[in-house]
Amino acid sequence: GAGVSQSPSNKVTEKGKDVELRCDPISGHTALYWYRQSLGQGLEFLIYFQGNSAPDKSGLPSDRFSAERTGGSVSTLTIQRTQQEDSAVYLCASSLRDNSYNEQFFGPGTRLTVL
Amino acid sequence: GENVEQHPSTLSVQEGDSAVIKCTYSDSASNYFPWYKQELGKRPQLIIDIRSNVGEKKDQRIAVTLNKTAKHFSLHITETQPEDSAVYFCASGGGGFKTIFGAGTRLFVKA
Repeated sequence: GAGVSQSPSNKVTEKGKDVELRCDPISGHTALYWYRQSLGQGLEFLIYFQGNSAPDKSGLPSDRFSAERTGGSVSTLTIQRTQQEDSAVYLCASSLRDNSYNEQFFGPGTRLTVL
Repeated sequence: GENVEQHPSTLSVQEGDSAVIKCTYSDSASNYFPWYKQELGKRPQLIIDIRSNVGEKKDQRIAVTLNKTAKHFSLHITETQPEDSAVYFCASGGGGFKTIFGAGTRLFVKA
């Protein structure tokens, strides 16, 4: 079946503009994660959606970052007033259940470049 | 808060040698420990995982060990090949908590 998809694959924007990144998880997966990965660096946790529970937003680096997940499926990560340090690959992952016992399936990522 | 430490950050081995990557975790409630491999320019993918009721698990050239008392777990790759070159991430989770990733180990296998 289809894996996790993300759009756009690449996004170039000017400093100060807002951007929206989209994640389509695998159908039926109740858990969804957003990560940020700077060049050559590790996976920086941003936000975690777990079924119908309130999301864990503890990784969001500033109030310019927000995310929502509509209908328990598609998720959108929004970055307002982008800064050059926001440039990175943004990865989304989903898993079957929300008890963390299951494999996370990653999307291909969105490469964000802020000029 | 929860934390996963991973060592070394970079590892270079000769083809055919073994590679060992070690991780420690802080949350004693963790009971699921996956390992992901990320090749250059690609997304991370699960290669092996272990649950807390097991001390060791093998899959061909890859093995993981877990010491719950010491909160340590390790990835062992034997007979390394150039295609094993990648970044490896350990993680801990389970018990209803979100998965926490280590910082990653960049493995270079020299032919």
